[in-house]
Amino acid sequence: QQNVQQSPESLIVPEGARTSLNCTFSDSASQYFWWYRQHSGKAPKALMSIFSNGEKEEGRFTIHLNKASLHFSLHIRDSQPSDSALYLCAVSGAGGADRLTFGKGTQLIIQP
Amino acid sequence: ETAVFQTPNYHVTQVGNEVSFNCKQTLGHDTMYWYKQDSKKLLKIMFSYNNKQLIVNETVPRRFSPQSSDKAHLNLRIKSVEPEDSAVYLCASSIANTEVFFGKGTRLTVV
Repeated sequence: QQNVQQSPESLIVPEGARTSLNCTFSDSASQYFWWYRQHSGKAPKALMSIFSNGEKEEGRFTIHLNKASLHFSLHIRDSQPSDSALYLCAVSGAGGADRLTFGKGTQLIIQP
Repeated sequence: ETAVFQTPNYHVTQVGNEVSFNCKQTLGHDTMYWYKQDSKKLLKIMFSYNNKQLIVNETVPRRFSPQSSDKAHLNLRIKSVEPEDSAVYLCASSIANTEVFFGKGTRLTVV
């Protein structure tokens, strides 16, 4: 059974800093890797996804995947107060990209 | 507006009562889900429903049951609520092998 762990549990960084969030998974057959963001009282919303080893950049956000080390990460450059939210990593396998197992989340606070 | 809509936003009830939460998606998706988000913010899938095929997470107690009238609606019924059912229940939808879209959730408090 898939086990997804996130670190750190919470993080406070100053505005403009670079932020790194980590996610490890246990099933080496995992195929789809997602980061979701949930602002307080709002719906979780997919931020980025990656399906093969390497790096993918979208604006200020970069996702890294290393399947061999069962690890992927999200990096935010020039962090903004609006980035303050709960960040959830999710993994799915051969069953389909929509069969998600979530980590417990990292609560990110960007201080102006 | 196309999205996943849930009602009610909040519900407070007593132990042993029956509750029902509604969910509708206007995204044209073919699969709908119910997730439970506990007090520690962990999201766990409870059910997925596609083309009248229901997939149940085996850890979900039998007092929970999904109810669907068509592919745009998936309601959640809890027959006799217990204190540990207090959580946020999130409805979601997707179309094969793509992003899952979530509703804002229904916060259930059992007193």
